[in-house]
Amino acid sequence: DQQVKQNSPSLSVQEGRISILNCDYTNSMFDYFLWYKKYPAEGPTFLISISSIKDKNEDGRFTVFLNKSAKHLSLHIVPSQPGDSAVYFCAASGGSGTYKYIFGTGTRLKVLA
Amino acid sequence: DTGVSQDPRHKITKRGQNVTFRCDPISEHNRLYWYRQTLGQGPEFLTYFQNEAQLEKSRLLSDRFSAERPKGSFSTLEIQRTEQGDSAMYLCASSLIQGSYNEQFFGPGTRLTVL
Repeated sequence: DQQVKQNSPSLSVQEGRISILNCDYTNSMFDYFLWYKKYPAEGPTFLISISSIKDKNEDGRFTVFLNKSAKHLSLHIVPSQPGDSAVYFCAASGGSGTYKYIFGTGTRLKVLA
Repeated sequence: DTGVSQDPRHKITKRGQNVTFRCDPISEHNRLYWYRQTLGQGPEFLTYFQNEAQLEKSRLLSDRFSAERPKGSFSTLEIQRTEQGDSAMYLCASSLIQGSYNEQFFGPGTRLTVL
């Protein structure tokens, strides 16, 4: 039972354009969502998070949007840079102070120069 | 470097052998987590510690797996009688309980190959 889904295994975007990565979840108990970036041979690196009381969170070039009614979140990267090329995982957890994340299967982003 | 470290980075072993991995979390972090990642999948939760107490184990963690965190500092994950299905990246993460939501910081992982 895949509670967190990333339906696009890969995405290619031109440098300077917007990258939009999508994530869907099924568990309505999830109340904290995160995006991680992963380069080959490295562990996931935290990018940005959002709690369920918000519908948007921005950090520089990265913005996460949360649509609770649709159980959908997205990560926008503007402008995209070649160094953003990596695998992006969304993750979710349920309950304040909860301990474990449920990850999606990842989307490989390639930013073309 | 004050991040999460893991040792070894790579381990190749023969089926049936025992292996042990080590994780050193960020020093002030009181929670430590183990995840496993296989090809094409996201990390899957295995177990976590709050200080030295192991508070949950996933169903993925068979009785061949054991994890410890003596003194609430570093942690070890041991796999006994390894099987080819154990081949994966084993990731350690740590977090600091501060407020309601706390991001986890991951180490570089230990890649296990069971021949």
